[in-house]
Amino acid sequence: KAGVTQTPRYLIKTRGQQVTLSCSPISGHRSVSWYQQTPGQGLQFLFEYFSETQRNKGNFPGRFSGRQFSNSRSEMNVSTLELGDSALYLCATSIGGGYTGELFFGEGSRLTVL
Amino acid sequence: EDQVTQSPEALRLQEGESSSLNCSYTVSGLRGLFWYRQDPGKGPEFLFTLYSAGEEKEKERLKATLTKKESFLHITAPKPEDSATYLCAVPRRAGGGADGLTFGKGTHLIIQP
Repeated sequence: KAGVTQTPRYLIKTRGQQVTLSCSPISGHRSVSWYQQTPGQGLQFLFEYFSETQRNKGNFPGRFSGRQFSNSRSEMNVSTLELGDSALYLCATSIGGGYTGELFFGEGSRLTVL
Repeated sequence: EDQVTQSPEALRLQEGESSSLNCSYTVSGLRGLFWYRQDPGKGPEFLFTLYSAGEEKEKERLKATLTKKESFLHITAPKPEDSATYLCAVPRRAGGGADGLTFGKGTHLIIQP
C-alpha cells in the first residue's frame, strides 16, 4: 500500500515569492492535514481538509492557504514568502469522518527561503 | 490554551539501559493522547493512542502509560535502532471533528551501542 506522497521534497525560494506544495494521500484516506515543523516551534497545525472542505485552521496568517481536490489530493500555498517560513512542511492523512489522532505522515517538503 | 511539555529534551542511553520519557499536558476534556516516533528526514510515525488514566499500550520495547496529567513512554532494554525523536500530541480542542493535534517538542533519544 503506497504511503503519503509529498512533492517536491526540497525547494529553495527567495523572499516575496510564492510556493505550492502537493500531497497525495493513502488510497481511501479523505482527510488531509498540513503541519509546519521548525526547530524552534516544533510541529504546528496549519489546516485540515475533508471532502474538499477546510474544517479547521491553525494560527497562521492568511498567506498560508490550501485546497483539496475531489480525489483527496491536497495542495498548500504560501504567498509572499518570508525568511521565517523556512521549515519542513508535513502532510498527514487519515480515513477521516470522525476524529482520529492516528495520522499517516509523508516525508515532508523542506522549504528554504533566502 | 492546551499545552504539551516533553522532558527531557534529549536523552543518551547505552544499549540495554532502560528509561522513561515524560509528556505532561494541560487539556480540558482529554480526547486522547498520542505518541509518535520521528526519524531524521522522515515524517512522524504513529505509535500509540491512550484515552483514559491507567491505560497502557505496548509495542516491542516500548510501553506507553497515561495518568490524569501526564504520559510516560517507557523503553526497556533499548537498541540503537530505537534512536529517534519521540513526540506526544493531544487534540487541539474539545468537541467533534478533526481539529488537528498539538505536539510537544519531542525527546531526542540516542541509544549508543
